[in-house]
Amino acid sequence: SVLTQPPSVSAAPGQKVTISCSGSSSNIETSYVSWYQQLPGTAPKLLIYDNNKRPSGIPDRFSGSKSGTSATLGITGLQTGDEADYYCGTWDNSLTAAVFGGGTQLTVL
Amino acid sequence: QVQLQESGPGLVKPSETLSLTCAVSDGSISNSDYYWGWIRQPPGKGLEWIGHMHDSGSAYFNPSLRSRVTILVDTSKNQFSLRLSSVTAADTAVYYCARHRPDSWGYYYYVMDVWGQGTTVTVSS
Repeated sequence: SVLTQPPSVSAAPGQKVTISCSGSSSNIETSYVSWYQQLPGTAPKLLIYDNNKRPSGIPDRFSGSKSGTSATLGITGLQTGDEADYYCGTWDNSLTAAVFGGGTQLTVL
Repeated sequence: QVQLQESGPGLVKPSETLSLTCAVSDGSISNSDYYWGWIRQPPGKGLEWIGHMHDSGSAYFNPSLRSRVTILVDTSKNQFSLRLSSVTAADTAVYYCARHRPDSWGYYYYVMDVWGQGTTVTVSS
């Protein structure tokens, strides 16, 4: 994948977790980052857009940030229902194409 | 809220062309604020963006698939389609259609804010 994410992260219920997304000057550094949540067996859902904005209905437990060529998704007050795969996405100006990270599987222990 | 629904054959033979349609309901595909596109997910793997198109005809594609992909927007039927030619087993995946909106700068459309439920396509003889 053009963007690099850790394959998996885990944390206990109620705790906080962060998921990183690393890119380059042709994508993350010069574009906005989105995050998508994919619950088991379902289609992805937009979680964060424009680096740190939440669509209507997404709780403020989910947050996003970006610095240089990296972005981070934060989830506080973890719940078992947050167990899912999380993907970062952005636009690559060299490829003139949308790109995704490889995905991070979140386990809530 | 606009809804998307994919349809098409679940089984395609190697070397043939995969054809899928995405029906748009509760909204118009002619809305100039969006591009309409496709994403796929091979079994057990991550998301791969295929490409998208605006009803004006403007389109962008994944460079690795560009030579085999056609996306068409049919405003008369309020739907859009994907054609992927010369398929192999590597094209076996769940295919999602999605509405794409622009980022805050408004130049490129890559925020996928509405997704279909996905349709599984297997390439096998």
